[in-house]
Amino acid sequence: GDSVTQTEGLVTLTEGLPVMLNCTYQTIYSNPFLFWYVQHLNESPRLLLKSFTDNKRTEHQGFHATLHKSSSSFHLQKSSAQLSDSALYYCALSNYQLIWGSGTKLIIKP
Amino acid sequence: EAAVTQSPRNKVAVTGGKVTLSCNQTNNHNNMYWYRQDTGHGLRLIHYSYGAGSTEKGDIPDGYKASRPSQENFSLILELATPSQTSVYFCASGDEAGAGSDYTFGSGTRLLVI
Repeated sequence: GDSVTQTEGLVTLTEGLPVMLNCTYQTIYSNPFLFWYVQHLNESPRLLLKSFTDNKRTEHQGFHATLHKSSSSFHLQKSSAQLSDSALYYCALSNYQLIWGSGTKLIIKP
Repeated sequence: EAAVTQSPRNKVAVTGGKVTLSCNQTNNHNNMYWYRQDTGHGLRLIHYSYGAGSTEKGDIPDGYKASRPSQENFSLILELATPSQTSVYFCASGDEAGAGSDYTFGSGTRLLVI
């Protein structure tokens, strides 16, 4: 069945360094949507960005991701981490509903 | 503003008691979902619904029932609550995910079963 893999359960970075959170997926669909959600402490998940188009960079709130169908990847990146980026990040894949990865907890230290 | 509202925000229940978690959405979305979130397990789908009168089992439905009496309302029912059901529960609404619709989540319900 369809699945999403986030290999890092926890990523700890120093403020100002670049962020990269990995997401790979498996699906039978040729044109899936891929999503990144962010969940700050004691809040609910909210959409960060989504993409459908192969090899097109999608950006929102300083984060960006590019869907690469050739490698089934949708990694989340940011050039310079901020303390406020500390949160839980979920990658998700669409079929008839969202299939969620296990999440990556990002901790940014001063 | 369109929203998903959950009640209660916090709940303490006794083992063996009945618990009902409520969710209301004003997004006019067809689909609604109930998830639980536990450390180390991410978001796990319990039940979902495609519209009024429909409920479907998700990945972990045992011990839970769901009810969708209207487009706006979707309830999660624990007939006989157990301590293992202590968790944070999120309701979400959305349209067809395959068409790119994202989910809107409620604020969550923290359930403690003692």
